[in-house]
Amino acid sequence: ETGVTQSPTHLIKTRGQQVTLRCSSQSGHNTVSWYQQALGQGPQFIFQYYREEENGRGNFPPRFSGLQFPNYSSELNVNALELDDSALYLCASSFSGRYNEQFFGPGTRLTVL
Amino acid sequence: AQSVTQPDIHITVSEGASLELRCNYSYGATPYLFWYVQSPGQGLQLLLKYFSGDTLVQGIKGFEAEFKRSQSSFNLRKPSVHWSDAAEYFCAVGASGNTPLVFGKGTRLSVIA
Repeated sequence: ETGVTQSPTHLIKTRGQQVTLRCSSQSGHNTVSWYQQALGQGPQFIFQYYREEENGRGNFPPRFSGLQFPNYSSELNVNALELDDSALYLCASSFSGRYNEQFFGPGTRLTVL
Repeated sequence: AQSVTQPDIHITVSEGASLELRCNYSYGATPYLFWYVQSPGQGLQLLLKYFSGDTLVQGIKGFEAEFKRSQSSFNLRKPSVHWSDAAEYFCAVGASGNTPLVFGKGTRLSVIA
């Protein structure tokens, strides 16, 4: 069974640029959630995708957007990067059902200069 | 509002000593509770979870946690800490289905000889 994978591991961008982060969900999972973890903080929910549709969103601006593909992998896109977007971005996959057990990937460390 | 409070930002214990990490939550629905561990630069690993039933739950690596509804708490314990337990620990709360997890800010555990 393959776990959750994310790419790239690290990324450095400059303010105003755009970035795409990728996540492959665990085998058998149909739901992907994205979280932002700023330095010294707990993860904060960005949004979730279920069956290729956005299925909930946290308090993040529209320049944070995403996609889910038929194989349940997902992308997180951030436009017009700001310095405060520097963080660890975590992807979590789960199977929609009664038990909300989410499995996390290793994360992508984004640095915005 | 949904929230998780981890009152201790940093705890230092001696190897072999017992450990208790505190977690209090505020959640409108029946809570599902989780403890995750994060090593430096890594993603989140699930230690244990509580959905229903026995309020004392066992997890991996010798950890356990007790759900106390009257105190809105879900404290994590380990009888004898090992140096490899040094990491950041996060308590999280969610509900059934695909609801997003709400995380605390974490407790950093240091282990000294």
